[in-house]
Amino acid sequence: DTEVTQTPKHLVMGMTNKKSLKCEQHMGHRAMYWYKQKAKKPPELMFVYSYEKLSINESVPSRFSPECPNSSLLNLHLHALQPEDSALYLCASSLTRQGSYNEQFFGPGTRLTVL
Amino acid sequence: GEDVEQSLFLSVREGDSSVINCTYTDSSSTYLYWYKQEPGAGLQLLTYIFSNMDMKQDQRLTVLLNKKDKHLSLRIADTQTGDSAIYFCAATTQTGANNLFFGTGTRLTVIP
Repeated sequence: DTEVTQTPKHLVMGMTNKKSLKCEQHMGHRAMYWYKQKAKKPPELMFVYSYEKLSINESVPSRFSPECPNSSLLNLHLHALQPEDSALYLCASSLTRQGSYNEQFFGPGTRLTVL
Repeated sequence: GEDVEQSLFLSVREGDSSVINCTYTDSSSTYLYWYKQEPGAGLQLLTYIFSNMDMKQDQRLTVLLNKKDKHLSLRIADTQTGDSAIYFCAATTQTGANNLFFGTGTRLTVIP
């Protein structure tokens, strides 16, 4: 199994809602990443988990709350989002964060629309 | 930090070769990657090159790296309509702990 899955594929939420995005991999990878991608832009790194511990938070607002309950699963909890948070949210994983070649495998993304 | 730049658009006729260019700023870049993104989809790794190489060929894809000029290119031979997508180059650096720095992306349009 060499894929990263993300659910849901699409999500529409109001500014007062609470929702979660889910990402799963069964490749034994110990590094997992959340990226945000606006239309016609490259992905921007949000968070990195290494061995289930938060390693990087790229100054992301607290209305985004990541969680890594085990080595296969990564969640992104959303609360009180703004319309400008509408974007494609991509999850990725790699064997580790350090060392030599470490390909990041990307999921298909969750298309989020905030009304 | 690393800045990675690409031209925004490229149009080619089906059957021709496509060349997508990328420049980067950090001379300590270790691995350089090419990703493909189709509309509404995630990123698919096409190929990569290690910084001590100057060329890598993989079927229709040829990657050239000029480390002195910090210039990377991706050549797609016999371009097909299925190659229409956005292509991102990305770099990791020795200090970046596998953080990917993405270029702006090049939208390739293949004309039948």
